[in-house]
Amino acid sequence: DTEVTQTPKHLVMGMTNKKSLKCEQHMGHRAMYWYKQKAKKPPELMFVYSYEKLSINESVPSRFSPECPNSSLLNLHLHALQPEDSALYLCASSQSGTADYEQYFGPGTRLTVT
Amino acid sequence: QKEVEQNSGPLSVPEGAIASLNCTYSDRGSQSFFWYRQYSGKSPELIMSIYSNGDKEDGRFTAQLNKASQYVSLLIRDSQPSDSATYLCAVKGSGGSYIPTFGRGTSLIVHP
Repeated sequence: DTEVTQTPKHLVMGMTNKKSLKCEQHMGHRAMYWYKQKAKKPPELMFVYSYEKLSINESVPSRFSPECPNSSLLNLHLHALQPEDSALYLCASSQSGTADYEQYFGPGTRLTVT
Repeated sequence: QKEVEQNSGPLSVPEGAIASLNCTYSDRGSQSFFWYRQYSGKSPELIMSIYSNGDKEDGRFTAQLNKASQYVSLLIRDSQPSDSATYLCAVKGSGGSYIPTFGRGTSLIVHP
């Protein structure tokens, strides 16, 4: 089973709202990732957690705040977003963050900021 | 700067034909290569990974890797309209880097 789940599927939020995206995997993977994808562009890396510790932050604005409560869960907390933050947010996981393992993506959350 | 280049297309092929998708990369030390399929509005789906020079076959898909020439390709035999999607090439670099660099993707259209 190579399933990564994400909730919600769709989210519409105003610029003053606070919301969270959730990601879960039960494959025993120890590396988890957040990506942002705009239309007709490749996924753009935001954050990497390796063994539940934040290992990479790709200079993402502080209005995005990641959290890894345990090895199966990954959250992305959103606050005071801008309309240009509207995108498909993808969670991915891989068996390890330090070796050449495949990444598996969740179905994504389509975020619209109004 | 590690770069992964793909022709954005669209590549249009008739149903039943072989579709050939190509990808070149700049980091000569790259070790791992992946092909993802992404339908419009959906997330990327891993279809092939390849680590060694040569061909790797999985059903109608064949990945080909040539490290000396720094390219990786994906062949889709007996193309079906359901194969119409964007195909993303992803490359993991050398030095233990575990973050793949994605190409911009090639749009494939298979017409009946």
